[in-house]
Amino acid sequence: AQSVTQLDSHVSVSEGTPVLLRCNYSSSYSPSLFWYVQHPNKGLQLLLKYTSAATLVKGINGFEAEFKKSETSFHLTKPSAHMSDAAEYFCVVSSGGGADGLTFGKGTHLIIQP
Amino acid sequence: GAGVSQSPRYKVAKRGQDVALRCDPISGHVSLFWYQQALGQGPEFLTYFQNEAQLDKSGLPSDRFFAERPEGSVSTLKIQRTQQEDSAVYLCASSTKRLAGFPGSTDTQYFGPGTRLTVL
Repeated sequence: AQSVTQLDSHVSVSEGTPVLLRCNYSSSYSPSLFWYVQHPNKGLQLLLKYTSAATLVKGINGFEAEFKKSETSFHLTKPSAHMSDAAEYFCVVSSGGGADGLTFGKGTHLIIQP
Repeated sequence: GAGVSQSPRYKVAKRGQDVALRCDPISGHVSLFWYQQALGQGPEFLTYFQNEAQLDKSGLPSDRFFAERPEGSVSTLKIQRTQQEDSAVYLCASSTKRLAGFPGSTDTQYFGPGTRLTVL
């Protein structure tokens, strides 16, 4: 079985300040981990993915995430928030071991204050 | 190239009606997935195809839900006798391949814009 916990349902930061969105996972196998972003009335867009290569993963739009096996975490960060980053962010796990679909967290709503 | 497309984008149905939702995956993508996203929640897996074979339908909530992909390309999700609890956004995703049983071998899934179903 696999699961994902996004520790914050809402995060609010000021434009130009760092962003941290927290995610913990559980998986019976070596997982693949993803972050997707969903802007209002738009489809899910892949930000980045981890598949057992480098533990620090760089994605699009300046986002990056670090896989920490000892902490079962995959937190998403960005050094400087932009207004266009306001959206819903989903941490996602796929174990590949018999469970075919992705397992999504409940999402974190990122609010950017001007 | 074109991404995943879904139609219709919005569907309003009266309770008890049947609906059909269409997904056109990225050309050449072997794997196709359906997800259901309730308001304020993350998407939840419904079913998975590899080519025309439906390999996993464990997420379908009831026998009113049926999916097919007869030629291994376009897929249709059908909901019979719709109920109010079926109201959600239905998302389709496709990927190049999936190596079942190989941990960590998942290919990236590319999502369509979704169909928002409202059952009155």
